[in-house]
Amino acid sequence: EDQVTQSPEALRLQEGESSSLNCSYTVSGLRGLFWYRQDPGKGPEFLFTLYSAGEEKEKERLKATLTKKESFLHITAPKPEDSATYLCAVKKRVNSGGYQKVTFGIGTKLQVIP
Amino acid sequence: ETGVTQSPTHLIKTRGQQVTLRCSSQSGHNTVSWYQQALGQGPQFIFQYYREEENGRGNFPPRFSGLQFPNYSSELNVNALELDDSALYLCASSLGFEGKGQYGYTFGSGTRLTVV
Repeated sequence: EDQVTQSPEALRLQEGESSSLNCSYTVSGLRGLFWYRQDPGKGPEFLFTLYSAGEEKEKERLKATLTKKESFLHITAPKPEDSATYLCAVKKRVNSGGYQKVTFGIGTKLQVIP
Repeated sequence: ETGVTQSPTHLIKTRGQQVTLRCSSQSGHNTVSWYQQALGQGPQFIFQYYREEENGRGNFPPRFSGLQFPNYSSELNVNALELDDSALYLCASSLGFEGKGQYGYTFGSGTRLTVV
């Protein structure tokens, strides 16, 4: 069964204190790994898609990396506005009809303190 | 370019009732997926519609059903509501069922359903 495990469940950082969030996954036939940001009461906001081991993507203070078993979201010098829940999701192709199943982790709740 | 819009934003229903949630997909997107997100959990996949046909379904009972219209908007219907159906229901649209492209799957802000 496909599994996505995110750690830690919650993380509290001082402003400027860099850290990393982890997403480990077990899925056969990975077709992509997503990172999303979700603010309370809102829908997830797309950050990155990674497709193959060794791939890296950056956006402002965020950098996502991918290996064959896990992905990391590195946050450099975070600011209070980076406070949110960060969700990881994996997708795999399920049938010949093209349907691709997306499985989410429960997320890491990040709080950045001024 | 408009994003994904969902209606209503909040809804309170009584156990046993039926509910319909609506989603307008982002302009140019032809695929819609629906997710259920319980408090403190990640989104759980319900089903996906591509060109008006369901082409994938998660582990949800048949009382969860959907439609996609020619303009690619979509509805989620839930019959015989149970207390455990209380959750944030999210709609996500994409161009093609693979969710490729610069923005992957684009989510709406969701409908908060409370069943009492």
